[in-house]
This record gives sequence, structure tokens and C-alpha cells, in this order.
Amino acid sequence: GIQVEQSPPDLILQEGANSTLRCNFSDSVNNLQWFHQNPWGQLINLFYIPSGTKQNGRLSATTVATERYSLLYISSSQTTDSGVYFCAVCDSGGGADGLTFGKGTHLIIQP
Amino acid sequence: EPEVTQTPSHQVTQMGQEVILRCVPISNHLYFYWYRQILGQKVEFLVSFYNNEISEKSEIFDDQFSVERPDGSNFTLKIRSTKLEDSAMYFCASRRLAQQFFGPGTRLTVL
Repeated sequence: GIQVEQSPPDLILQEGANSTLRCNFSDSVNNLQWFHQNPWGQLINLFYIPSGTKQNGRLSATTVATERYSLLYISSSQTTDSGVYFCAVCDSGGGADGLTFGKGTHLIIQP
Repeated sequence: EPEVTQTPSHQVTQMGQEVILRCVPISNHLYFYWYRQILGQKVEFLVSFYNNEISEKSEIFDDQFSVERPDGSNFTLKIRSTKLEDSAMYFCASRRLAQQFFGPGTRLTVL
């Protein structure tokens, strides 16, 4: 099956800093989503981005499908940005439908 | 904005007991999913459901698991005889187009 690797696994930053999280995947995809898992365990949809670039406030994401990676940018970090960020993809071959998640990036924003 | 809802938010059960986790997908969605997340690990796909039948299932989804859409709104996951290792957060998701929308999860604790 498709492999998803996220880096870095852990990231500690001061409030106000910018960060870039990376997601590499091993095969072509027809779906790529970024999630933020909050301290209560809920998965918050950030982006649906199988290709191209999107922005939502301080967050933006870029997926380069031909090179099989996606980047999530967080600018001017706030303590509420802390949590685990997951990338999840759906393999476009073979009719697969379920999302394959990476192991996540654990982000800690210190005041 | 419509949301996926799940009940209960937390369930505690004894090993060997049957549990039913409930989900109400977004009303005009046609594809439904269950995922699980063991504490501290990544989210794993269990099963997808479309047109009243399972369309894909993972190796995790063995004979102790079953899914059902008993009426026009609910989507359930049944675990017949729970084991300690079934303790996890279980997420329901649904979609109409490509993007999957996740519910808040049910935390299952098996004692």
C-alpha cells in the first residue's frame, strides 16, 4: 500500500515563529488532506489539497503531486496551534477509498 | 455547517462484551467510513461503506467487527467481543465528493 512519511516528528517553537511541515507519499494520490488533532483528540479538517496551493488565514498548504509531497505552513504561531498535524492520502490506483495517515508532526508552541 | 456526529463520546466496557458505536453522517453524503486510533499512534482505516454494503476493508477489520446503516441517518460499528487491544479512539467519516469529513470520535476503553 501507499506509504506516507511526515517530518519532522516533533517541533518545538516559540509563539510568533513560522513553521513548515512536510508530507511525502510513495504513489499518486487522488485525495490529500491535512488535519490538526487538538488536545481533546478531535481531528480538525485543515485542507483538502490533492494538488496546488491553498490558504486559510495563517495557514497555507502546497501539494506538488508530480513530486509526491505536500507542505503545510503555519505563520505567526499561537499556543492554540499546538497539537499533532496529520497528513492523509488516498491512493488513486486500484480503487482504494480509505485514507492512509502519516504518523504526524507533534507541534508544541511555547508562550 | 453540517457536521458528522458520534455517540457516545466515551464508552467503557468489560473485555468480552459487545459494543455498538454510533455515527450520524452528514445528510447528503453517500460514502461512510470508520477509522481507529490507538493512543499515541496514527489513525488507521477500518472500513468504507457505500450503497448499503462494504466497499473496502483493512486487515484490522476482522470477523469481530461489523457495520450497518440501520436507517436513513445512522451508521454503526459493532465490536462483538471486545479485547483489551480494541481500546482506541474510533472516528466515523463521510463524504459526498472527494473530501472526507470526520466526527469528533468515540473513546473506547476496554477493561
